[in-house]
Amino acid sequence: SAVISQKPSRDICQRGTSLTIQCQVDSQVTMMFWYRQQPGQSLTLIATANQGSEATYESGFVIDKFPISRPNLTFSTLTVSNMSPEDSSIYLCSVTSGGGYGYTFGSGTRLTVV
Amino acid sequence: KQEVTQIPAALSVPEGENLVLNCSFTDSAIYNLQWFRQDPGKGLTSLLLIQSSQREQTSGRLNASLDKSSGRSTLYIAASQPGDSATYLCAVKGDNNNDMRFGAGTRLTVKP
Repeated sequence: SAVISQKPSRDICQRGTSLTIQCQVDSQVTMMFWYRQQPGQSLTLIATANQGSEATYESGFVIDKFPISRPNLTFSTLTVSNMSPEDSSIYLCSVTSGGGYGYTFGSGTRLTVV
Repeated sequence: KQEVTQIPAALSVPEGENLVLNCSFTDSAIYNLQWFRQDPGKGLTSLLLIQSSQREQTSGRLNASLDKSSGRSTLYIAASQPGDSATYLCAVKGDNNNDMRFGAGTRLTVKP
């Protein structure tokens, strides 16, 4: 299965600022996803990162708040913009080769907004 | 919309016990189901992947079963160890979408 390098592993940010999270995969993958895990909660899908086109966002998530880039089949970034304490969560990227393949997750970015 | 439920939310057992974690899903039109382990503040580690055509998968002390028609899966852990302490997440991929839907997880504590 693919190996994912996610950076940074954690950060403490001031409210009103932005943080960009990077996800690098060691092989080309068809699909990449970004999830959020709020404290004590399970994972919620933010968006599907599409190569060569805009990301597809889930209900409740918008591009202005969570802009996503996917310039090629091995890399994606998620930006958390104009942060507030409510954005404090673990953010995870995930990949799959589609079909019957399973999903692999990055190690997560633990974000604290103060 | 697919809803995934995990029971119990938390479980504490003494070392050596066999245990079962439960996962149910509302839409039986799934492509596959995956069990993950998550340590506090960390990412997810895949444990077992079951395709919709399969009934079970085994890896070491872990055995996962799938009953697609009834919308249920179980994760069986044999001879539990303190190192098994973690949150276990069940996730399903539907036939008509590419992403996974997660349950809230079961937080397992195995006491020495």
